[in-house]
Amino acid sequence: GAVVSQHPSRVICKSGTSVKIECRSLDFQATTMFWYRQFPKQSLMLMATSNEGSKATYEQGVEKDKFLINHASLTLSTLTVTSAHPEDSSFYICSARDFEGAGEKLFFGSGTQLSVL
Amino acid sequence: SQKIEQNSEALNIQEGKTATLTCNYTNYSPAYLQWYRQDPGRGPVFLLLIRENEKEKRKERLKVTFDTTLKQSLFHITASQPADSATYLCALEGGGNKLTFGTGTQLKVEL
Repeated sequence: GAVVSQHPSRVICKSGTSVKIECRSLDFQATTMFWYRQFPKQSLMLMATSNEGSKATYEQGVEKDKFLINHASLTLSTLTVTSAHPEDSSFYICSARDFEGAGEKLFFGSGTQLSVL
Repeated sequence: SQKIEQNSEALNIQEGKTATLTCNYTNYSPAYLQWYRQDPGRGPVFLLLIRENEKEKRKERLKVTFDTTLKQSLFHITASQPADSATYLCALEGGGNKLTFGTGTQLKVEL
């Protein structure tokens, strides 16, 4: 099956710094990737849809200048949390559909736990 | 507004019994519904997909039903094992090729 690799798995940073999270599709090309955020004991909340070669589409209430998404190639999408603050501490997960978006199920990365001090 | 509801209370069952988890939805007309498993600190893993014209789907010890009239899906794990302990999420396509997830139900299978 399709494999999505996410890195790093855990980040601890100081308030005001920027953090970049990488999401790679290892054995398939992903024209579209999705970024989710999850707080403890809560569901995954879709933040944005990352489109290769074009601007990301953000969900309502998600600040695009705060959460920068770049999808520069068919196998890599990055999420940068700019000027991170403690309230940005959360579990961030990327995902992609298999077979260039033709499949219906999502394959998820292993997630990144961000802790902002 | 659209809602996907799963029992937020943890479900504790004894090993060997059948676990049944519920997913109810409102204001969706999904072409299909999916179930995922999530372990602590990990991303979800796809388990099963059931389409609107399918009443039931099985995969090994897993069984999913889909009632579009009741707007409900039931997820069953038969002969449950401690290794089945995890959070189980249902998900629906909410338009725009995006999946929306329920809050998940935590299952604990005890010896």
